[in-house]
Amino acid sequence: GENVEQHPSTLSVQEGDSAVIKCTYSDSASNYFPWYKQELGKRPQLIIDIRSNVGEKKDQRIAVTLNKTAKHFSLHITETQPEDSAVYFCAASGVTGRRALTFGSGTRLQVQP
Amino acid sequence: GAGVSQSPSNKVTEKGKDVELRCDPISGHTALYWYRQRLGQGLEFLIYFQGNSAPDKSGLPSDRFSAERTGESVSTLTIQRTQQEDSAVYLCASSLTRLAVYNEQFFGPGTRLTVL
Repeated sequence: GENVEQHPSTLSVQEGDSAVIKCTYSDSASNYFPWYKQELGKRPQLIIDIRSNVGEKKDQRIAVTLNKTAKHFSLHITETQPEDSAVYFCAASGVTGRRALTFGSGTRLQVQP
Repeated sequence: GAGVSQSPSNKVTEKGKDVELRCDPISGHTALYWYRQRLGQGLEFLIYFQGNSAPDKSGLPSDRFSAERTGESVSTLTIQRTQQEDSAVYLCASSLTRLAVYNEQFFGPGTRLTVL
């Protein structure tokens, strides 16, 4: 089955700096890669996603890149703000066959004011 | 419209008792998923429903766990003879029909289960 590895497990940055979180996946059939943000005690919220026919996607301060050959994808947050502090999860799935998301173990991002 | 809802929000039970957790997906979403999140950890897949059938039950950890869905709507996750290691937040998510090219999953607030 699919296996998703996520690094780093914790990340501390200064406000205004950039943050990068990286994930690798094992199943070449996976073609959908979302990123979720989870604040303490809250539900995971989708912040951005990318499909395998696209190499990069950007939404304001957030961008995701995908390298299908290497089977890895990354989340980039620029101009970080204290409210970006949360746990971020990457995930992978296919739109056919196994459709459940396989999640990475999470990255706790702390943005220091 | 309303998002995914789950009940109860918190459940405390004694070891050996059975519990039922409920999920109401977004109206019109035919796919429904259950995940488990232990404290400080990632989300583990449990079971996936497409309509009322469950084509993927591969994440259910033991035969004490079962789930059903009726009317392409509400789903119930049942844990029999609960054990302390069952303590976790149980999250439900829903997404559009398989005919869509998207697989965006929307999560409910979860049920925090504590087994004493």
